[in-house]
Amino acid sequence: QKEVEQNSGPLSVPEGAIASLNCTYSDRVSQSFFWYRQYSGKSPELIMSIYSNGDKEDGRFTAQLNKASQYVSLLIRDSQPSDSATYLCAVKDTDKLIFGTGTRLQVFP
Amino acid sequence: ETGVTQTPRHLVMGMTNKKSLKCEQHLGHNAMYWYKQSAKKPLELMFVYNFKEQTENNSVPSRFSPECPNSSHLFLHLHTLQPEDSALYLCASSHPSGGSRTGELFFGEGSRLTVL
Repeated sequence: QKEVEQNSGPLSVPEGAIASLNCTYSDRVSQSFFWYRQYSGKSPELIMSIYSNGDKEDGRFTAQLNKASQYVSLLIRDSQPSDSATYLCAVKDTDKLIFGTGTRLQVFP
Repeated sequence: ETGVTQTPRHLVMGMTNKKSLKCEQHLGHNAMYWYKQSAKKPLELMFVYNFKEQTENNSVPSRFSPECPNSSHLFLHLHTLQPEDSALYLCASSHPSGGSRTGELFFGEGSRLTVL
């Protein structure tokens, strides 16, 4: 059974700090990785995808991938209260996604 | 019109009822999905349709019956459900699954189902 592991949190950070969200996965051959954001009572929304080792930056978000360690992370710089949500890590398995349970992030003023 | 629309948003049904969930996408995608989201569990893939053909049935009980009449519409027919089926049912669409953009899913707002 292929798995995606995330700490459920909550991860609490002050406004303006860097939030670091982590994810590990069990399938060594996985090639595509995604971060979704889900606000309470809403549906998931894709915010980042990453396919190659290293960093990928998009605004305040940076995704980091280390395939050797089977580890993907999401950094949120200058965290805002509006970033408070659950962040879902997802890994592509052939033709479908396997999701983690999500990490709840709380950004307090 | 929003990208992916689901109706109804909330549904309460008894174990002997028959109901259906509806999903419609206006994004020009050719793949559609049903996911189940329960508290403290990962999103659980139920069914995948590519170009109206079912390409994935993730060992879902037969009391859930999907229907995909065209690439824009997806239904989930429900009958003889159990209380443990209470959950948020999410529809999503994407470019064809298995392709380079698998993983870039667009979700509807979900249908919150309560089975009494």
